[in-house]
Amino acid sequence: DAKTTQPNSMESNEEEPVHLPCNHSTISGTDYIHWYRQLPSQGPEYVIHGLTSNVNNRMASLAIAEDRKSSTLILHRATLRDAAVYYCILRDRNYGGSQGNLIFGKGTKLSVKP
Amino acid sequence: DVKVTQSSRYLVKRTGEKVFLECVQDMDHENMFWYRQDPGLGLRLIYFSYDVKMKEKGDIPEGYSVSREKKERFSLILESASTNQTSMYLCASSFVYGTAEAFFGQGTRLTVV
Repeated sequence: DAKTTQPNSMESNEEEPVHLPCNHSTISGTDYIHWYRQLPSQGPEYVIHGLTSNVNNRMASLAIAEDRKSSTLILHRATLRDAAVYYCILRDRNYGGSQGNLIFGKGTKLSVKP
Repeated sequence: DVKVTQSSRYLVKRTGEKVFLECVQDMDHENMFWYRQDPGLGLRLIYFSYDVKMKEKGDIPEGYSVSREKKERFSLILESASTNQTSMYLCASSFVYGTAEAFFGQGTRLTVV
C-alpha cells in the first residue's frame, strides 16, 4: 500500500492560515488523497478529498502537487477549535472487497495559539 | 445524519474475561472497521469487514476476533482480555468506493484490570 508521511506536530496562531503538508511519493494513479481530523476526545471526522485538482469545501482547501507526490491541507483562518490531529491517507478508487482497508498513520498534531 | 454507534463509552473488565465491543451503523455501508488508538501510536487497524461474514485482518489482529452477522453490526471480541489491551477502541464504516468518506463512532475506552 502507498504510504504517507506527515510532520509529527505543527503550531499556528489563531486567525492565521495553516498549511499542513503530506508526502505520498509512491501514490498510484488511482489513489484518492483523503484528509481526516480528530478533535480531542472524539473519533476522526472527514475533512476533504481529491484526486488531481485542488479542492475547496467549507472546512478547508486541498492543494495537490502536479506530480501528485505531495499535497497540502490549508486551513484559511485557524481557530482554537481547529486544534486536532490531522491525518492524510490514500484510498484506491478501484478498491473493493478485501482490498478495502483504511490505514491511518500517526498524523500531524496541530496546536493553535490564541 | 449518519450514525455509527458504539455500545459503551467506558468499559472496565477483568483480565481473562471475554469482552464484546459492539458497533452499529445506520447508513447501509458495506465496509466496517475496528481500530485501537494508543498515545504516540496513532490509529491502528485491527480488523475490517467488507460484507456480511467477510473479514480481513488489519495490522494488529492478535488477541482479537470479529463477527459480522448483519450488515449494520460489527462486533470486536477479546477472547481473553489482557492488560495490554487497555486502549481506546474506535469503530468506523464507509461505502466501498474510493471517494467514500468513513464515519467514526465516539469510541470505547476499555480498561482491563
